[in-house]
Amino acid sequence: SQKIEQNSEALNIQEGKTATLTCNYTNYSPAYLQWYRQDPGRGPVFLLLIRENEKEKRKERLKVTFDTTLKQSLFHITASQPADSATYLCALDELDNYGQNFVFGPGTRLSVLP
Amino acid sequence: NAGVTQTPKFRVLKTGQSMTLLCAQDMNHEYMYWYRQDPGMGLRLIHYSVGEGTTAKGEVPDGYNVSRLKKQNFLLGLESAAPSQTSVYFCASSYYGTHQETQYFGPGTRLLVL
Repeated sequence: SQKIEQNSEALNIQEGKTATLTCNYTNYSPAYLQWYRQDPGRGPVFLLLIRENEKEKRKERLKVTFDTTLKQSLFHITASQPADSATYLCALDELDNYGQNFVFGPGTRLSVLP
Repeated sequence: NAGVTQTPKFRVLKTGQSMTLLCAQDMNHEYMYWYRQDPGMGLRLIHYSVGEGTTAKGEVPDGYNVSRLKKQNFLLGLESAAPSQTSVYFCASSYYGTHQETQYFGPGTRLLVL
C-alpha cells in the first residue's frame, strides 16, 4: 500500500542550529514534491516545490533535496529561529482520472528552543 | 484579497444532525478541495472539484457530499453526522490542478460530533 512517513512526530532543536526533516515514501512515483508549513489553528502554507529531476532547491534559509532512488526528501532550515517553530508537511503528487492531486504526510512538529 | 475563507470556524453537532461547510475563494481558481485533518494522519482528501459544476471523490468521501454551483464556492455537506467525522476540515484552491500548482488553504473549520 502507498505510504508517506515523516521522520518523527516532533523535533526539538536549539536556536541557530540546522533543522533537518525527513519525508519518506513507498509505492509512489512522484514527479513533484511540495513542502508546507502549518501553524497551530491555521491552514498549511506553501513553502517549496521540487521536481524529480532536481536534486536540490533553495529559498533563503530553506533547502530541499529529492532522492527518487532512496524515495526520500530532506527539508533543511539553517540558522533556525524560534519563529520557525511549526508543523511541516510534505506532499507528493498523485495522478488520477481527473488530473493531479497531492497526498500529504502526517507532518513533523518542529520546536526551536531559544 | 481575502484568499480562501471558511464558514463556520467551529461547530458542535449531535450524532445524526446535518450541516454544510462553506468555502469561498476570490482568486478565480479552477480547482477546489476539501480535506480533513486528524492527529497523526495528516491531511486526507475528501472531495475535490476541477471547475464549476464538477465534483470528484478523494481518498475518504464516504459520509460527505459536495457541490460547486459557483466557481468561487465549494460546499461540503454532512447529511447525518457521526462521531468519526469529528475533525478539522480545510478547504483549498489552486489555479489549475497541475503538479506545479500551489494550493492555498483556508483557516479551517473545527467540527465536534457528540
